[in-house]
Amino acid sequence: EVQLVESGGGLVQPGGSLRLSCAASGFTFSSYWMHWVRQAPGKGLVWVSRINSDGSSTSYADSVKGRFTISRDNAKNTLYLQMNSLRAEDTAVYYCARVPPAVPFDYWGQGTLVTVSS
Amino acid sequence: SSELTQDPAVSVALGQTVRITCQGDSLRSYYASWYQQKPGQAPVLVIYGKNNRPSGIPDRFSGSSSGNTASLTITGAQAEDEADYYCNSRDSSGNLVVFGGGTKLTVL
Repeated sequence: EVQLVESGGGLVQPGGSLRLSCAASGFTFSSYWMHWVRQAPGKGLVWVSRINSDGSSTSYADSVKGRFTISRDNAKNTLYLQMNSLRAEDTAVYYCARVPPAVPFDYWGQGTLVTVSS
Repeated sequence: SSELTQDPAVSVALGQTVRITCQGDSLRSYYASWYQQKPGQAPVLVIYGKNNRPSGIPDRFSGSSSGNTASLTITGAQAEDEADYYCNSRDSSGNLVVFGGGTKLTVL
C-alpha cells in the first residue's frame, strides 16, 4: 500500500525556519518525481515545489523561490522541504504528493500544518 | 492569482448531471487533471489525461476539453460527490504546475 506521511509542521515565528519531511512507503520512491502542495486555511490548493527522481532537478513557485528548498534522500525514502524566512502567508497545510510518469498527483499524504505567527 | 480559472460554486440536484469547468491558456497545450477534496481530507485524483479515471473512481466522472477550457462532468450526481473540485495543469510556460481556485459542488 502506498503511503506518504508528512511531519515537521508546527508553530513558528515570522522570519523563522522549519523543515518538513515526507516519509514514503509501499512503492519504489527513487523512481518517482515528488511535489509539495500547500493549502491555506479555507483556501485552495497551491503548488509549491517539485523534485525529479534522483534529486538533480528542482522547481519552485515564485512565492517561495529563494526561501524554500526541496530535497530528497532516496536511501531513506524521504522527501524534505526546508522553509526559511517564513511569512504569515506561508501558513497552510503542506501536502507531499507523488507523480508517476504521464500521470499527475496520484497519491497524497494527509498533510502537516504550518502556522507562522508571533 | 491562478492561471486556471474555475467557478467558485456550482450546485446540482441529486441524480442530475453537472459540469465543472476550468479555463486557462495552457489548456490549449496541456491536459487538465481533476481532484476531489472533502473537508479535512487530502485531495483525490478523479480524472487525468484525455479522459482517464484512476482505479476506484466511479464511471459517472468524466473529463473533456475544448480550446482553453477543460470540463469535469458528473453524470447522475450522488450525495457523496459533494466536495471541492480542483483542476490542475502546467502554467503557460509549461515548466511549472498550477491549480485552479477550486469549485465547491453542492448536491441538493
